[in-house]
Amino acid sequence: DQQVKQNSPSLSVQEGRISILNCDYTNSMFDYFLWYKKYPAEGPTFLISISSIKDKNEDGRFTVFLNKSAKHLSLHIVPSQPGDSAVYFCAASGGGTSYDKVIFGPGTSLSVIP
Amino acid sequence: GAVVSQHPSRVICKSGTSVKIECRSLDFQATTMFWYRQFPKQSLMLMATSNEGSKATYEQGVEKDKFLINHASLTLSTLTVTSAHPEDSSFYICSAYRQLNSPLHFGNGTRLTVT
Repeated sequence: DQQVKQNSPSLSVQEGRISILNCDYTNSMFDYFLWYKKYPAEGPTFLISISSIKDKNEDGRFTVFLNKSAKHLSLHIVPSQPGDSAVYFCAASGGGTSYDKVIFGPGTSLSVIP
Repeated sequence: GAVVSQHPSRVICKSGTSVKIECRSLDFQATTMFWYRQFPKQSLMLMATSNEGSKATYEQGVEKDKFLINHASLTLSTLTVTSAHPEDSSFYICSAYRQLNSPLHFGNGTRLTVT
């Protein structure tokens, strides 16, 4: 049973517009959420994270929103750039320790069209 | 710069042989490292948690005798795929926490092809 879900396998966005990637989770013990970007044949690169005590975290063009009651988070990229084209993984961890294992969603492939 | 180094980046081996993959934390000590596996167009699946000085903790469905993990020092964890078969062909990625309250950092992965 998937604990972290990304229901959109792919997304296409025009350059300069906003990209919104969605993620849902089922495990209420998760208290730390992350977004990673991944290119083929490379390891994931950390983008941005959010703790469950917050509902928004912003870093440059990237903003993550968390709705705990809905067990939903989203990553907004604005403005989108062609270099943002990659697979984005939503991930979650929890259990009360900062060295906890991280569970990944299936990923969303983002294509930013010039 | 990279904080986790993985070697080799790709390896091809024959069925029945064993392959060792190394994961090193650069400029920090990692008492815990994590090994993931990714099949084409699929998610990263956690295989096991590697603990320095003790036995690894394997996720459900992962054969501990097939995927041997050794975390002999605070900067090195190794994953050995024993008696490899073509279905073991995959992308293996290790990761570690650089410090408390920091995100998980990943190595660049190892592409294993078993012929």
